[in-house]
Amino acid sequence: AQSVSQHNHHVILSEAASLELGCNYSYGGTVNLFWYVQYPGQHLQLLLKYFSGDPLVKGIKGFEAEFIKSKFSFNLRKPSVQWSDTAEYFCAVKGSSNTGKLIFGQGTTLQVKP
Amino acid sequence: EPEVTQTPSHQVTQMGQEVILRCVPISNHLYFYWYRQILGQKVEFLVSFYNNEISEKSEIFDDQFSVERPDGSNFTLKIRSTKLEDSAMYFCASTTSTHGYTFGSGTRLTVV
Repeated sequence: AQSVSQHNHHVILSEAASLELGCNYSYGGTVNLFWYVQYPGQHLQLLLKYFSGDPLVKGIKGFEAEFIKSKFSFNLRKPSVQWSDTAEYFCAVKGSSNTGKLIFGQGTTLQVKP
Repeated sequence: EPEVTQTPSHQVTQMGQEVILRCVPISNHLYFYWYRQILGQKVEFLVSFYNNEISEKSEIFDDQFSVERPDGSNFTLKIRSTKLEDSAMYFCASTTSTHGYTFGSGTRLTVV
């Protein structure tokens, strides 16, 4: 069965620090990959997605992610975080199911200290 | 930008009661989904709906759950007899076959 693993459950950073959140998935076929952000009390918002092409994907709010097929990874990065980036971050994969369902990782809570 | 609209935003119900959660997907989308997120846990897939029928459902989506698209715009999730463990945030989502998903703001269901 497909699964998504996010290694960091809770990350605490100071403003201006660099961020990298890990995401690994288990599926050998063609995948579509997503990162969603959930600000406190709000719904899921799409940060970025990878369908095909350039494995380095740029999203909103200065985030980017790199798809490394050989490592089954899709890590999220941001060079310099802000206090407003405090949120929960979810990696998700759409793979073998032709219904388009997403499989989510456990989520990473990011706390940015001012 | 088009939105997926969910109502109500918060519903409190007594155990054993029926609840209906409502969603209005984006009008030109073809695939519709319900997900849920129990407090502190990950987002879990419940059901997908395409061409007026369920295309896939998870183990969570048992006989107590049902979905409908009664009028071509609304997409509803019904829980027939709620249990305490049904307390969660329920998200509706819609998509075309090639674009990213759009999630609604969610309905927080509290079963007491």
